[in-house]
Amino acid sequence: DIQMTQSPSTLSASVGDRVTMTCRASQSIVTWLAWYQHKPGKAPKLLIYKASTLESGVPSRFSGSGSGTEFTLTISSLQPDDFATYYCQQYNSYSWTFGQGTKVEIK
Amino acid sequence: QVQLQESGPGLVKPSGTLSLTCAVSGASISSTNWWSWVRQAPGKGLEWIGDSYHDGNTKYNPSLKSRVTISVDKSKTQFSVTLNSVSAADTAVYYCARTARGNWYFDLWGRGTLVIVSS
Repeated sequence: DIQMTQSPSTLSASVGDRVTMTCRASQSIVTWLAWYQHKPGKAPKLLIYKASTLESGVPSRFSGSGSGTEFTLTISSLQPDDFATYYCQQYNSYSWTFGQGTKVEIK
Repeated sequence: QVQLQESGPGLVKPSGTLSLTCAVSGASISSTNWWSWVRQAPGKGLEWIGDSYHDGNTKYNPSLKSRVTISVDKSKTQFSVTLNSVSAADTAVYYCARTARGNWYFDLWGRGTLVIVSS
C-alpha cells in the first residue's frame, strides 16, 4: 500500500491567517490526490481532487498543489468555518489510502 | 439533493458480524458511481474498507478482504457492508460514501455511524 503522511498533525492559527499543510506519499501518485474537510459528527466534505482541482461549491480560499510525492493544501485566509481536520487521500493505486489528518485549531 | 444515510446496530459482540446499510436518496444507485465504505477508529485516521458497483463488482482493502462483503441492493436503493469475526479493533465510526464517476475519490459522504464491539 502507498503510505500517506500529513504534517503537521495539529496547526494552531487565527482567523485571517494563511495556512498551509503538507501531504507526502511513499511513492509517486502523479496528481491522483484528494483533500477532505471533516468536522466532528458531520460528513467529510470533498474540497479538492486531482491535487489542485477545486470541487464545485468550495470557496476559492482553498487551493491545492503538488505532484509526485509532495502535496500542499493552502487556505489563503482562515475563516471561522474552516476549523476542522483535513485529510488527504491517494487514488493512484488500489487500495486507496488516507493520511492521518491535520487538525486546524483556534490559536 | 443527493444524500447518504448509514444505519445499523451500534453494538456488536466480539466474534460476531457487523452489518450496516447505507440508504441513497436523490440519485440512482445504478449510475456509473461506485459505492463505498470508510471507517475511522477512535483517535485514528480514515481507513478505506471497500467499493461496490451495481453490477456486483467489488474492490476490498486487502487487510479486510477475508472478512468483508459489500453489496448493492438496486431494488431498495441502498448498499451494505458486513464484517465477520469482529474484535475491539473494529470499533469505529463507519461512513458510507459515493465514489466520483470515473475516479476513485469520494465526492459525497454520509455522516457516519458508530459501531462498538464489546461484550
